Amino acid sequence: ETGVTQTPRHLVMGMTNKKSLKCEQHLGHNAMYWYKQSAKKPLELMFVYNFKEQTENNSVPSRFSPECPNSSHLFLHLHTLQPEDSALYLCASSQDRRPTEAFFGQGTRLTVV
Amino acid sequence: GQSLEQPSEVTAVEGAIVQINCTYQTSGFYGLSWYQQHDGGAPTFLSYNALDGLEETGRFSSFLSRSDSYGYLLLQELQMKDSASYFCAASWNAGNMLTFGGGTRLMVKP
Repeated sequence: ETGVTQTPRHLVMGMTNKKSLKCEQHLGHNAMYWYKQSAKKPLELMFVYNFKEQTENNSVPSRFSPECPNSSHLFLHLHTLQPEDSALYLCASSQDRRPTEAFFGQGTRLTVV
Repeated sequence: GQSLEQPSEVTAVEGAIVQINCTYQTSGFYGLSWYQQHDGGAPTFLSYNALDGLEETGRFSSFLSRSDSYGYLLLQELQMKDSASYFCAASWNAGNMLTFGGGTRLMVKP
């Protein structure tokens, strides 16, 4: 248990579906992140939220839409994804001034069919 | 661009010492972190270096040389459970964007 909980752990969706990934942290952190981890590729930062405000969007396609209603919760809304979007999606949190010490959730293994 | 390079695989025997190197782009570099990820698990934070020198945490140590744009993770008294992927990660310009290297898969053999 890392203090960061992601649901669901596994998700299979069709290209026309809409689904959402959820992340919750119980560490009192005020920065939250979405990362994508594909086979044979480095972890890719997607979005950063600081105190509920989005501070980074790392050129992510609009079919991925993040939402951060409060400092403890983070969502990733998925719409009309492509098979190449299949990957492990990891949520992380950190103290605002310590982005280099991030705590990760177990991830959602997403398969787009 | 902001990138990090590390070897893709390293193999060592139980009880040995292994060093995993990481080189990075210099401009605006702020600090270097190391993470461990077991298969099917979440990356877990191991160490962070903002200044030159060695940071020791039990069997694991991390080193940074800003002048050489280089760091390494040193694992001593290797155990089978140390078999995992190890990632270096860096931030630039004190921002919130943490960029990861491609990861080094460490295999510890009996």
